[in-house]
Amino acid sequence: DTGVSQDPRHKITKRGQNVTFRCDPISEHNRLYWYRQTLGQGPEFLTYFQNEAQLEKSRLLSDRFSAERPKGSFSTLEIQRTEQGDSAMYLCASSLSAQGYEKLFFGSGTQLSVL
Amino acid sequence: QQPVQSPQAVILREGEDAVINCSSSKALYSVHWYRQKHGEAPVFLMILLKGGEQKGHEKISASFNEKKQQSSLYLTASQLSYSGTYFCGTPSGGSNYKLTFGKGTLLTVNP
Repeated sequence: DTGVSQDPRHKITKRGQNVTFRCDPISEHNRLYWYRQTLGQGPEFLTYFQNEAQLEKSRLLSDRFSAERPKGSFSTLEIQRTEQGDSAMYLCASSLSAQGYEKLFFGSGTQLSVL
Repeated sequence: QQPVQSPQAVILREGEDAVINCSSSKALYSVHWYRQKHGEAPVFLMILLKGGEQKGHEKISASFNEKKQQSSLYLTASQLSYSGTYFCGTPSGGSNYKLTFGKGTLLTVNP
């Protein structure tokens, strides 16, 4: 169990640029989540995959955001035409649905700063 | 609906006790507790299920009052390592996988 890893840890970009983040979940976990966290707030749900299928996307997520999980392994989160309001910590988490309850294992996140 | 946590922050000396509360305006079927240390990932602490079942792995206890729609996390004889922000999360949208987290309670344990 090597844990959930995210890359990069930090990303600074200019407004209007596109960015892509990667998440490698725990290998046997079939569920993968993306959350966003801003200062002083709890993590906020963005989207969820079961294997390679994206089963839910938050209504808060604009069309500029897209996520994929090809072959049910790693996942990418892309933000197009970034805005300053996108600045946040983007957290990835994975879990194993066989447990009957959701115990999320979070990665350390990607801190995005949009200038 | 975001659960409400109280207090927002608490400062303790090592060995003291603390209680963190989490309440919801909606019926709760489970409450999840996580701790996040500064600059690190949130880490699962405990889940409380309807019916009183409790699953956790640390020397931290919790209660779940379904009628009052609230949960409390009890940290007794606090250690320096307990410092961090504690979040409660509740399932939302009728799912068991999507959690809505509260704003967190910042716990600082001083020597």
